[in-house]
Amino acid sequence: EDQVTQSPEALRLQEGESSSLNCSYTVSVLRGLFWYRQDPGKGPEFLFTLYSAGEEKEKERLKATLTKKESFLHITAPKPEDSATYLCAVPANQAGTALIFGKGTTLSVSS
Amino acid sequence: NAGVTQTPKFQVLKTGQSMTLQCAQDMNHNSMYWYRQDPGMGLRLIYYSASEGTTDKGEVPNGYNVSRLNKREFSLRLESAAPSQTSVYFCASSEYGGGTQYFGPGTRLTVL
Repeated sequence: EDQVTQSPEALRLQEGESSSLNCSYTVSVLRGLFWYRQDPGKGPEFLFTLYSAGEEKEKERLKATLTKKESFLHITAPKPEDSATYLCAVPANQAGTALIFGKGTTLSVSS
Repeated sequence: NAGVTQTPKFQVLKTGQSMTLQCAQDMNHNSMYWYRQDPGMGLRLIYYSASEGTTDKGEVPNGYNVSRLNKREFSLRLESAAPSQTSVYFCASSEYGGGTQYFGPGTRLTVL
C-alpha cells in the first residue's frame, strides 16, 4: 500500500537555527515527490517537485532533496515567516495517480 | 488568473441538511480533486476527476457525490450532512493526473 510518513510532527526553532524535515514514502513506482507549504486557514501552496534520487531543488532558505526512500526539506537560517505546516505527497498508484499526502510537519520559528 | 476558487468559504449546516460546494479553475487543467482535512488526519482524497466526463472515488467517498460540470468546474454534494462531515474541504486541480496540484482556499464546514 502506498504510504507517506512525515517527521517530526512539530518542530520549534529559533531564528537562524537550521534544521531538516523528513518525508519517507512507500510506493511501487515513484513518479514524483511534491512538497507544499500550508499557512493557517489557507490551502496548500506548491513548493517543489522532485523526480529522481539525487535531485535537489532550492527556493530561498529551503532546499529539498530526494533519495530512493525519503526526502528531506532543509531549512537554512529560518525566519519567523517560514512558520507553517509543510506537507509532502506522492502520486498514488491505486487511485488514478491522485496524490497521497503525509500528515505534515508544523514548523514554528521564533525570533 | 484567479487559480482555483471555492464557494462558500464558511458554512454551518444542521444534521440532515444538504448542500453543494462549488469549485472552479481557470488554468485549463484536466484533472480536479476534492479533499477533506481534519486535525491529525492530514489531507484525504474524497473524489477526483481525471478528465472532463469522468469521476472516481478516493479514500473517503461515503456520504458525498460529485459532478464534473465542465472542464472548469467540479462540485461536491453532501446529500444528508452528518456531524462527522465537519471538516475543511479543499478543491485542487492539476494539468494531468499525478502532476502538480494547485489548491483553492478551502471551505470550512460545520455540521451541528
